[in-house]
Amino acid sequence: DVKVTQSSRYLVKRTGEKVFLECVQDMDHENMFWYRQDPGLGLRLIYFSYDVKMKEKGDIPEGYSVSREKKERFSLILESASTNQTSMYLCASSIGGSKNIQYFGAGTRLSVL
Amino acid sequence: GENVEQHPSTLSVQEGDSAVIKCTYSDSASNYFPWYKQELGKRPQLIIDIRSNVGEKKDQRIAVTLNKTAKHFSLHITETQPEDSAVYFCAASIGYSTLTFGKGTMLLVSP
Repeated sequence: DVKVTQSSRYLVKRTGEKVFLECVQDMDHENMFWYRQDPGLGLRLIYFSYDVKMKEKGDIPEGYSVSREKKERFSLILESASTNQTSMYLCASSIGGSKNIQYFGAGTRLSVL
Repeated sequence: GENVEQHPSTLSVQEGDSAVIKCTYSDSASNYFPWYKQELGKRPQLIIDIRSNVGEKKDQRIAVTLNKTAKHFSLHITETQPEDSAVYFCAASIGYSTLTFGKGTMLLVSP
């Protein structure tokens, strides 16, 4: 059974803080993704990675960066958190190749005050 | 890039009724169309998917249909049950690339 684990379920940070959201998958998946989920806006792709040390911008990368130093771990970084980054953040992974079924983590609800 | 529109945004049905959620996509090169279900407080999970070489796929009470000419696909749930209550997301992708999701449909099944 695929397991995608996000390090925190809830986070409260202050404006201007540097925030790290961590995601780990245990199925040796090639691809990893970060989304934010807001009511009425669905799932919007922030960044994704098809390999270690590789990253690609998604649809809404502004204000975010990512790091993938190991295959199983994909980190989302908010360099200077702002209130408009208050959201639910979902990590996902997929095996890659012809199989693009994505498996999601439980999400991190981030509040920036 | 790809754009996916999903309707309706909310859908209320009585238990036992059928529910239909519709999505349209913009890029005719899209060839993979999954549906995810997200129960309240839970993670999205794939419930059914279809590829462009197939017009319809069924799995027990759920089915997905695809009309490539019109660039739309639909999720059909028959004999709805309260446990079907959730947010449903459609998505589209080209080949093995990223998924573009619709904005979601909140389905409420009343006993």
